[in-house]
Amino acid sequence: EAEVAQSPRYKITEKSQAVAFWCDPISGHATLYWYRQILGQGPELLVQFQDESVVDDSQLPKDRFSAERLKGVDSTLKIQPAELGDSAMYLCASSPNLGWQGETQYFGPGTRLLVL
Amino acid sequence: DAKTTQPTSMDCAEGRAANLPCNHSTISGNEYVYWYRQIHSQGPQYIIHGLKNNETNEMASLIITEDRKSSTLILPHATLRDTAVYYCIVRGSNFGNEKLTFGTGTRLTIIP
Repeated sequence: EAEVAQSPRYKITEKSQAVAFWCDPISGHATLYWYRQILGQGPELLVQFQDESVVDDSQLPKDRFSAERLKGVDSTLKIQPAELGDSAMYLCASSPNLGWQGETQYFGPGTRLLVL
Repeated sequence: DAKTTQPTSMDCAEGRAANLPCNHSTISGNEYVYWYRQIHSQGPQYIIHGLKNNETNEMASLIITEDRKSSTLILPHATLRDTAVYYCIVRGSNFGNEKLTFGTGTRLTIIP
């Protein structure tokens, strides 16, 4: 069964350092999402891509976070500089095609970030 | 997106049916009810979704009331591996409102 791949699975960094996460969606999935999940809460959408274009980044803290999906396949989420409050699980999800009624998002295993 | 209300936690005996309720009284006509679960330290796992009719798959059944203001997820024979946080989400189907908005979910514990 096809899965969303993410790396690394765990990352420890010091505040003010740069950190990057990588996601490879299920093959053929046009839509890719990045979520952040703080401990004890549900995931919160940071950014949504349709192919290589950003559809929604209204919740992305753009002063320090950036996301790209240059070829419309895999994606990178970057934080620079990292702050203590960025400690969380970063989840990637993908779905086949934007706009299809009731289509399903499939999640990867996540990257757990700890900022010291 | 319509809001959902779920109990914070529930217990269920192993082998019994687990019934997880969800209220979504402000759901609109084109919004779907989705259920995901998240086992500790893993990414959310899709379970099932529905619009109006009851749905069943290999994992669970989804019962939606006729007025669509509430629903119940049923795990027919719960096992220890079903211990997880279960999220009920109401999601639109039009461009721009199809994102998943997670609440805090129900923490289901299966008791041996």
